[in-house]
Amino acid sequence: DAKTTQPTSMDCAEGRAANLPCNHSTISGNEYVYWYRQIHSQGPQYIIHGLKNNETNEMASLIITEDRKSSTLILPHATLRDTAVYYCIVRVEGTGGFKTIFGAGTRLFVKA
Amino acid sequence: NAGVTQTPKFQVLKTGQSMTLQCAQDMNHNSMYWYRQDPGMGLRLIYYSASEGTTDKGEVPNGYNVSRLNKREFSLRLESAAPSQTSVYFCASSEAKSGANVLTFGAGSRLTVL
Repeated sequence: DAKTTQPTSMDCAEGRAANLPCNHSTISGNEYVYWYRQIHSQGPQYIIHGLKNNETNEMASLIITEDRKSSTLILPHATLRDTAVYYCIVRVEGTGGFKTIFGAGTRLFVKA
Repeated sequence: NAGVTQTPKFQVLKTGQSMTLQCAQDMNHNSMYWYRQDPGMGLRLIYYSASEGTTDKGEVPNGYNVSRLNKREFSLRLESAAPSQTSVYFCASSEAKSGANVLTFGAGSRLTVL
């Protein structure tokens, strides 16, 4: 099972910041938080990942709480093309090593 | 670089037929994965291969077999297709860097079983 919980859906106005929350209360000390998104039926696309510190790249920012039990993905100026399903992931340990398990994600609707 | 290439992109099978989905990556990644995605659902892990020569079950392995042919290629086989296996199949690969493990996905293979 996925180790994260996310809201099912969210709306955001075009041009405004989209803040997508994620809870991962059972995360272990050395595991990263990863964010991916999936537009329509395309393959998921990597966005960003982080361990303890806040991270920023050309796509988004990732804010991780000090206790690491939750995080927020921020799209600073959402566009219509950001409408997608966003997945927050913490890898799960299996017999063959760590594996990436996807939950249901958050469906973000960016509206004009 | 092509990244992760999946073939075929589309396939229609009859119940009971067999087929193999092919996946190849040119990024020299150690780990490879097969996921399925049913309409309106998230991705579910079928099998993964942490390194060449190893494979392990994911969340939904029943009805599938896999082969890690070499470092580049990871195939998924349906021995006797069932309508419940109608889905979009995604292959991915990853490489661990500084403790993180970022996946790169293929474009998907849409399979319909009648």
